[in-house]
Amino acid sequence: QVRLQQSGPGLVKPSQTLSLTCAISGDSVSSNSAAWNWIRQSPSRGLEWLGKTYYRSKWYNDYAVSVKSRITINRDTSKNQFSLQLNSVTPDDTALYYCAREGVNDAFDFWGQGTMVTVSS
Amino acid sequence: QSVLTQPPSVSGAPGQRVTISCTGSSSNIGAGYDVHWYQQLPGTAPKVLIYGNSNRPSGVPDRFSGSKSGTSASLAISGLQAEDEADYYCQSYDSSLSGWVFGGGTKLTVL
Repeated sequence: QVRLQQSGPGLVKPSQTLSLTCAISGDSVSSNSAAWNWIRQSPSRGLEWLGKTYYRSKWYNDYAVSVKSRITINRDTSKNQFSLQLNSVTPDDTALYYCAREGVNDAFDFWGQGTMVTVSS
Repeated sequence: QSVLTQPPSVSGAPGQRVTISCTGSSSNIGAGYDVHWYQQLPGTAPKVLIYGNSNRPSGVPDRFSGSKSGTSASLAISGLQAEDEADYYCQSYDSSLSGWVFGGGTKLTVL
């Protein structure tokens, strides 16, 4: 069974960088058939896909247009985990952040537990 | 304003059938991209209910069914049960945005 365990701070100051990590068990970040995503949820934006990283003979990253200038998704194969960095955050980035696996059917079939991140001074 | 449009709420009595619509456009559902449906119970992460328009993962009751036509998709829930009370979201790919998009969500109330 795949399990995704999120970690990271719940409070970030405006203009700083939001950083979260998602540790994978039961699968590999280097899987040729999965993609590893970050999604956030807020009352104002609903569910919003942020981006993903995946391996298909080489590494790829795809990012949502809305955050493309501020986001980086990295992977650490030695720790079997992937991470989210979102720069220059504002209160509008306050949300519940999820990591999720995109499986062979392109649906998000496994999700992390969610991390509530508040952007406030 | 979500790219995929869902009704904010639907309701039904136990045992009844309800449908939730998901309306898109020619750059997502209408372009032939698959639609997936998720159920989110309070305080939990979304759970995939239907993938690839009409397929149920193992463990999802056959009371749940999905369909797609043109630029829209629908989730039907028959034999409503109290435990079905949750938020439901549709998801697809949008070629104009080059990424995954979600509907705004529909809150199902079992009367």
